[in-house]
Amino acid sequence: DQQVKQNSPSLSVQEGRISILNCDYTNSMFDYFLWYKKYPAEGPTFLISISSIKDKNEDGRFTVFLNKSAKHLSLHIVPSQPGDSAVYFCAALYNFNKFYFGSGTKLNVKP
Amino acid sequence: NAGVTQTPKFQVLKTGQSMTLQCAQDMNHNSMYWYRQDPGMGLRLIYYSASEGTTDKGEVPNGYNVSRLNKREFSLRLESAAPSQTSVYFCASPLGAGQETQYFGPGTRLLVL
Repeated sequence: DQQVKQNSPSLSVQEGRISILNCDYTNSMFDYFLWYKKYPAEGPTFLISISSIKDKNEDGRFTVFLNKSAKHLSLHIVPSQPGDSAVYFCAALYNFNKFYFGSGTKLNVKP
Repeated sequence: NAGVTQTPKFQVLKTGQSMTLQCAQDMNHNSMYWYRQDPGMGLRLIYYSASEGTTDKGEVPNGYNVSRLNKREFSLRLESAAPSQTSVYFCASPLGAGQETQYFGPGTRLLVL
């Protein structure tokens, strides 16, 4: 049973608009939550993270929100750019040594 | 400074053949991880090594063995490959001094016929 779920396999957004990617988890003991971006034929690259004791973390165009009561996190990209088109993985860290990944959401930003 | 390197980049095996996937990191980190990525499944942890000389099972360890040869190298071995092991394999190591993020290698595409 997957502990981290991304229920939207794909998302299409117009350039300049906001992209919102969602992720749900089941284990309330996760320490950190992370977002990774992946281009075809490359390894995932770290994008942004948030500690379980915070509810928001911002880095440039990227903001991650954590709602612990709903066991839900989201990644906001504003404004979206065509270069943001990739697969985005949500991940959660347990006991500071095990990572659990969602199945990914493919973002397409249209020019 | 190459970060995390993996060899080979691509491999085709016949069912029952064995092979070892190699991973090396030059960041002097203690932890190293092996994942597999399958369509619709995301990345699943196969094995990890918290430090030199230790290894632990992840979510999907069956059919695999690992060796943490030294601090730098962590290999993944398929003793008798099966078509279900067709996947893309990623090695990872912590991105920085903390453990909360990871740096991934470029991946090994494995096809088992």
